[in-house]
Amino acid sequence: AQTVTQSQPEMSVQEAETVTLSCTYDTSESDYYLFWYKQPPSRQMILVIRQEAYKQQNATENRFSVNFQKAAKSFSLKISDSQLGDAAMYFCAYINFEGGGGADGLTFGKGTHLIIQP
Amino acid sequence: DTGVSQDPRHKITKRGQNVTFRCDPISEHNRLYWYRQTLGQGPEFLTYFQNEAQLEKSRLLSDRFSAERPKGSFSTLEIQRTEQGDSAMYLCASSLDRQQGQMNTEAFFGQGTRLTVV
Repeated sequence: AQTVTQSQPEMSVQEAETVTLSCTYDTSESDYYLFWYKQPPSRQMILVIRQEAYKQQNATENRFSVNFQKAAKSFSLKISDSQLGDAAMYFCAYINFEGGGGADGLTFGKGTHLIIQP
Repeated sequence: DTGVSQDPRHKITKRGQNVTFRCDPISEHNRLYWYRQTLGQGPEFLTYFQNEAQLEKSRLLSDRFSAERPKGSFSTLEIQRTEQGDSAMYLCASSLDRQQGQMNTEAFFGQGTRLTVV
């Protein structure tokens, strides 16, 4: 079974600074996607960034970028120029597309609570 | 399209009662997922539909849980004889099939239904 581990229950960063959230995963499959989702308090989960396992280039979306180390099964999220609106729970997630073609759904980590200090 | 819609947003029920939640996915999405999220945890996959077919249901928590998607559009999740341990946020998500040359497979989440069993 696939597992996703987020070892940082909480992180704090000063506004405008850079923060990196860690995620490791365990899988024997080769065809999978990784995601970072953001869940603000009492609000819905929204996608931050996506990485396809077959792509060597790290994904980037504006201030958000990932460091995808496939051999090490590591997928960290870097947030640059942190803003107050970035405060939320961040979840790392994995989905396998081999065999069932995504039928097993997303496997999530336990999340990292990101605090932005003004 | 206004995204994934879930109803109700909150439900308080007495132990032993049955409850049903509704999810309306994004209209062109043929994949629909149900997840459960308890406090301080990441979402946990429950079941998956592709169109009207329920392709994965072994992860439903017990035989008290059932889900339907009768016409391949909206879905319902029913919990019979609720227990206090069923108190959680129930999330619905929808996505497109992964197709050749189209890798836009991210799941879009609803705001969830928060269930409290008293």
